[in-house]
Amino acid sequence: EVQLVQSGAEVKKPGESLKISCKGSGYSFTRYWIGWVRQMPGKGLEWMGIIYPGDSDTRYSPSFQGQVTISADKSISTAYLQWSSLKASDTAIYYCARPAVQWEFDPWGQGTLVTVSS
Amino acid sequence: DIQMTQSPSSVSASVGDRVTITCRASQVISSWLAWYQQKPGKAPKLLIYGASSLQSGVPSRFSGSGSGTDFTLTISSLQPEDFATYYCQQANSFPLTFGGGTKVEIK
Repeated sequence: EVQLVQSGAEVKKPGESLKISCKGSGYSFTRYWIGWVRQMPGKGLEWMGIIYPGDSDTRYSPSFQGQVTISADKSISTAYLQWSSLKASDTAIYYCARPAVQWEFDPWGQGTLVTVSS
Repeated sequence: DIQMTQSPSSVSASVGDRVTITCRASQVISSWLAWYQQKPGKAPKLLIYGASSLQSGVPSRFSGSGSGTDFTLTISSLQPEDFATYYCQQANSFPLTFGGGTKVEIK
C-alpha cells in the first residue's frame, strides 16, 4: 500500500525555524514527485511546490518561492518542508501528496498542523 | 498562473438530490482537471482525474465532464457521506492551482 506519513503537530514562536517531514512507503520513492499543499484555518487548498527525489529537481509556486524550502533525503524516503523564520501567518495544516497520473494528487499524507504564536 | 473559479461556493441539498458543481479555468487546460472531496479534519481525497476518469474505489454516483476551460462535477444521488467540501484543481501546468471550494451542506 502506498502511504505518506507526516511528522506531528508543531507549536512555534515567530522567528523560529522549522522542518516538517513526509515519509513515503510502499513504492519506489525516487521515481515519483512529492508535492506540498497548504491549508490555512478555514480556507482552501494552496499548492506550494514539488520535488523529484530522484534528482532533487524542485519547483515552487511563485507565492511560496523564497518563503519555504523543499528538500528530500532519498536514503530514508523522506521529503521535507522547512522555514527559516516563521510568521504567525504560517499557521496552517500542511499536506504532502504524490502525483497520480499527471499532476493530480493521490495519496495524501495525514497533514501536519503548524501553529505559530507568541 | 491559471485561475480556477468554482461555483457555487456552497449548496444546500437533501439526500437523494442531484448536485452539480462547476469549475472554470482562466485558460485552456485540455482535460487536466481533478476533483477532490475533503471532510473536516481529513486530507483531501481524489475523486476524478483527467476531467472524467473515476479514481479507483470512488462510487459511480460521482462523475466529471468537460474540457478546455469549463468543467462539471455531478453527484447523481447525494448520500449522507457526501456532505463535504469539494475542490477542483488544474493539473496542466505549474504553478498548480485549486478552485476556492464548494461546501455541500444538508438542507
